Amino acid sequence: NAGVTQTPKFRVLKTGQSMTLLCAQDMNHEYMYWYRQDPGMGLRLIHYSVGEGTTAKGEVPDGYNVSRLKKQNFLLGLESAAPSQTSVYFCASSYYGYTFGSGTRLTVV
Amino acid sequence: GQQVMQIPQYQHVQEGEDFTTYCNSSTTLSNIQWYKQRPGGHPVFLIQLVKSGEVKKQKRLTFQFGEAKKNSSLHITATQTTDVGTYFCAGPLSGVELIFGQGTELSVKP
Repeated sequence: NAGVTQTPKFRVLKTGQSMTLLCAQDMNHEYMYWYRQDPGMGLRLIHYSVGEGTTAKGEVPDGYNVSRLKKQNFLLGLESAAPSQTSVYFCASSYYGYTFGSGTRLTVV
Repeated sequence: GQQVMQIPQYQHVQEGEDFTTYCNSSTTLSNIQWYKQRPGGHPVFLIQLVKSGEVKKQKRLTFQFGEAKKNSSLHITATQTTDVGTYFCAGPLSGVELIFGQGTELSVKP
């Protein structure tokens, strides 16, 4: 049972480039989330989904888009990366308590 | 907006000493959750508290939810080096999404 799997684990982007972070869960959870973690700021919610085909904005959605075409997958897109998006990104799913993936460390130069 | 604050931000203890982190919300919470994140790792769910005044224990960890459901605490008795990490509390915003505190980073000196 893999839980929540995130790919890639590390990535370096140039300013203005785009990329998609992939999140997959095998626990049949309805709810999925994308958070970013920056030093001293805890975890901040970017977007979330309460089911297949649905998405909603969180606390810091600007510069990001998401899609939930399949129940098990939740994709986070950066259309034009900026240095301020350098962060560690965590995907999570939940039924009772959140199960987090291992994270994607993204650096934008 | 709703905020969840944690203190202290850092705590350095000698192995064997006790440790406590406190969590305060600006609004009443329906529940509060606690997570632990080891250095370089991801947050791991520890426990959820739901009832006013609830106290739950997990071995050396004691979790408490305040009577007004606006504050919570995590107490570790006789810390060990395996307790090292950042402890986060989190409360629901308006539904399923959680608002996390900034975390308390615990370091333990052997």
